[in-house]
Amino acid sequence: GAVVSQHPSRVICKSGTSVKIECRSLDFQATTMFWYRQFPKQSLMLMATSNEGSKATYEQGVEKDKFLINHASLTLSTLTVTSAHPEDSSFYICSALRGRDQPQHFGDGTRLSIL
Amino acid sequence: DAKTTQPTSMDCAEGRAANLPCNHSTISGNEYVYWYRQIHSQGPQYIIHGLKNNETNEMASLIITEDRKSSTLILPHATLRDTAVYYCIVRVPYNTDKLIFGTGTRLQVFP
Repeated sequence: GAVVSQHPSRVICKSGTSVKIECRSLDFQATTMFWYRQFPKQSLMLMATSNEGSKATYEQGVEKDKFLINHASLTLSTLTVTSAHPEDSSFYICSALRGRDQPQHFGDGTRLSIL
Repeated sequence: DAKTTQPTSMDCAEGRAANLPCNHSTISGNEYVYWYRQIHSQGPQYIIHGLKNNETNEMASLIITEDRKSSTLILPHATLRDTAVYYCIVRVPYNTDKLIFGTGTRLQVFP
């Protein structure tokens, strides 16, 4: 089955630090990748849609300068949380789409804790 | 994309069938029904999807009513590892690739 790898699985850092999270599709080329955020006891919230070689499309209310997305290849997308603060602490999850008639496949998430 | 309504929580005895309902009364003709589940502290896992016909795979069966206004995900022999939050989502492939997650159903499988 389709495998999506996310790294790191957990990160703890100080306030003001920038943190980069990688999302890789291991056995397929992803036409589109997505980034979600999930707070405790809540559902997933879509942050942005990322297409290879083009700018990401952000959902309403998501700061594009705060959450930088780079989709450099068909198998790699990165999310950088810039100048992270405690309120950015959350579970960040990526997904990848093999084709438009295919289901999304998700990574195992990154738990970000900002002290 | 059409909204979905699911019960907040359900219980199921291990070994029994778990039947998870989903209401999507405003679904349009070209919207598919997708089911995902999320085990605690993991990313969502794709289970199954369908348009009109009932579907079955190695994980589950999806029963869609004739009017397509509701569907049921069936886990034929639930195990403790099936304890998770199950999400029913409707979307139109080719129109938007986005998945909008609702609150889902928390399924607790007990021994």
